[in-house]
Amino acid sequence: AQSVTQPDIHITVSEGASLELRCNYSYGATPYLFWYVQSPGQGLQLLLKYFSGDTLVQGIKGFEAEFKRSQSSFNLRKPSVHWSDAAEYFCAVGATGRRALTFGSGTRLQVQP
Amino acid sequence: NAGVMQNPRHLVRRRGQEARLRCSPMKGHSHVYWYRQLPEEGLKFMVYLQKENIIDESGMPKERFSAEFPKEGPSILRIQQVVRGDSAAYFCASSPFSWGRDGLYNEQFFGPGTRLTVL
Repeated sequence: AQSVTQPDIHITVSEGASLELRCNYSYGATPYLFWYVQSPGQGLQLLLKYFSGDTLVQGIKGFEAEFKRSQSSFNLRKPSVHWSDAAEYFCAVGATGRRALTFGSGTRLQVQP
Repeated sequence: NAGVMQNPRHLVRRRGQEARLRCSPMKGHSHVYWYRQLPEEGLKFMVYLQKENIIDESGMPKERFSAEFPKEGPSILRIQQVVRGDSAAYFCASSPFSWGRDGLYNEQFFGPGTRLTVL
């Protein structure tokens, strides 16, 4: 069965600083990978996804993520964080033949002025 | 194109009552998924349905929980005889059916959730 680990429960960065959120997955084949963002009291919004092809994926709101098969990672990055990026971020993995997504436990991002 | 709709957004029940959560998928989407998010945790898959069929219910508790997606109308997640441990946010997602690598394409669009509080 697949699993997802987000090792950082809580991260604080200053506005304008760069950001990297870590995600490691466990799955026997090439996975489908996703990053979602959840603002307080809201649902989840898809930031970006990886299915195949170019391992550097561009998403919405200036986010990007890189799939590294050798490290089983799919880290999310943003070069310059805005105060509105404060939210909870979830990495998720999907497996061939099964539509259920497996989510990590999330990373809560705080942005300092 | 309206997104995934869930209602009610907030639901309060006393222990032993029934909770019914509704989900209307995006237009053109024929697949519905239910996830539960306990406080301070990630989302956990519960059930995946297509119209009139339960495809995968491996994440559903064996008792008190049921789900349906009728030919007409929204998908319903039903919790009978609720207990305090059922207090959580319940999210519905929908996806179209399309073919991709390895035969499956797994993008899901999430609704705003129903926050259930059991007193």
